[in-house]
Amino acid sequence: AQKVTQAQTEISVVEKEDVTLDCVYETRDTTYYLFWYKQPPSGELVFLIRRNSFDEQNEISGRYSWNFQKSTSSFNFTITASQVVDSAVYFCALPSGGSNYKLTFGKGTLLTVNP
Amino acid sequence: GAGVSQSPRYKVAKRGQDVALRCDPISGHVSLFWYQQALGQGPEFLTYFQNEAQLDKSGLPSDRFFAERPEGSVSTLKIQRTQQEDSAVYLCASSLEGEGDFGPGTRLTVT
Repeated sequence: AQKVTQAQTEISVVEKEDVTLDCVYETRDTTYYLFWYKQPPSGELVFLIRRNSFDEQNEISGRYSWNFQKSTSSFNFTITASQVVDSAVYFCALPSGGSNYKLTFGKGTLLTVNP
Repeated sequence: GAGVSQSPRYKVAKRGQDVALRCDPISGHVSLFWYQQALGQGPEFLTYFQNEAQLDKSGLPSDRFFAERPEGSVSTLKIQRTQQEDSAVYLCASSLEGEGDFGPGTRLTVT
């Protein structure tokens, strides 16, 4: 069965610090996607990235970057120069059962960025 | 443009009451999903529709949960005889293909 572990329950940083959110996953699928979502206090899940397991290149989008290491089953997320608006719960997710819709989510990491 | 909307945003129900939660997907989105998110947890899959067809309901926790999407647009998640363990945020998402756009959720509290 699919499993996603986000070991960091809460992280608190000061604005402009860099922060890395960890995600470790388990899957028996040979090809799969990995996702990151942001859930601000308003409640909706905001899609951040979808990564195919074939592509192990790191991805950068503005202040966000993702490090995918298939050998260690990790898909970590780094925010550079954090801002107060980055404060949210961040979820890592993995589709289950060969579907692209039935996501297994981790428990999330609450990131608080203090001014 | 308009995103996924859900109503009500908050619902308090007494144990044993029936509730109905509504999801208005983005216009033209074929796929619609429901997730349940307990406090402090990640969302858990409930059910999936493609147009009006419910293709997967494997995540519905009991036969008290029922979802429909009769015209392939608006969807309703119904919970009969609510129990305290049903207290959670219910998230709806829709998509044309690939990952979904999530709504703000309905927070259900069963007292």
